[in-house]
Amino acid sequence: GEDVEQSLFLSVREGDSSVINCTYTDSSSTYLYWYKQEPGAGLQLLTYIFSNMDMKQDQRLTVLLNKKDKHLSLRIADTQTGDSAIYFCAGMNDYKLSFGAGTTVTVRA
Amino acid sequence: SQTIHQWPATLVQPVGSPLSLECTVEGTSNPNLYWYRQAAGRGLQLLFYSVGIGQISSEVPQNLSASRPQDRQFILSSKKLLLSDSGFYLCAWSQGRHTDTQYFGPGTRLTVL
Repeated sequence: GEDVEQSLFLSVREGDSSVINCTYTDSSSTYLYWYKQEPGAGLQLLTYIFSNMDMKQDQRLTVLLNKKDKHLSLRIADTQTGDSAIYFCAGMNDYKLSFGAGTTVTVRA
Repeated sequence: SQTIHQWPATLVQPVGSPLSLECTVEGTSNPNLYWYRQAAGRGLQLLFYSVGIGQISSEVPQNLSASRPQDRQFILSSKKLLLSDSGFYLCAWSQGRHTDTQYFGPGTRLTVL
């Protein structure tokens, strides 16, 4: 199976950019995902990137994929208080998702 | 549009009691269905997945079981709960096989005392 690692915590000031990093081991992952989990809630799909792409932008979200280094990042521009949550990266391989432990993002005023 | 429901939202059960968690999906047919568990402060662990009625694959050995009695219904069960079964249980669905995105339900918070 795939190992996915993320840093556990990130604190960012409102209005700044947040960058959440993730590394994975299985280079055969077809898709890589970012999910957001607010307290007590399920997972909300934020965005995903196909493994043959190196960048995807969706409004305030930018995903960068470095296949050589097996590194995935999520940049949130103009971070807002509503962005405070746990962010999970996950790799898809043969319809199985492998998740990282999640990065808790705290937005401070 | 598709929606996924989980029931109950929260549950407190004594050790040794049985368990039944339900997940239903609306607005699609023949989905792939998944059960995940999220322990406190940790990522998600895939427990079971199903690609069709009566077809269940188990990812980890444990005292839990899953069943799919109908196309859009997925049940997670246990005959005797352990303390270590406490956690947040998430059901997910996807359409298709290899690459389709998984969409998650709201989750069930299970506390075993």
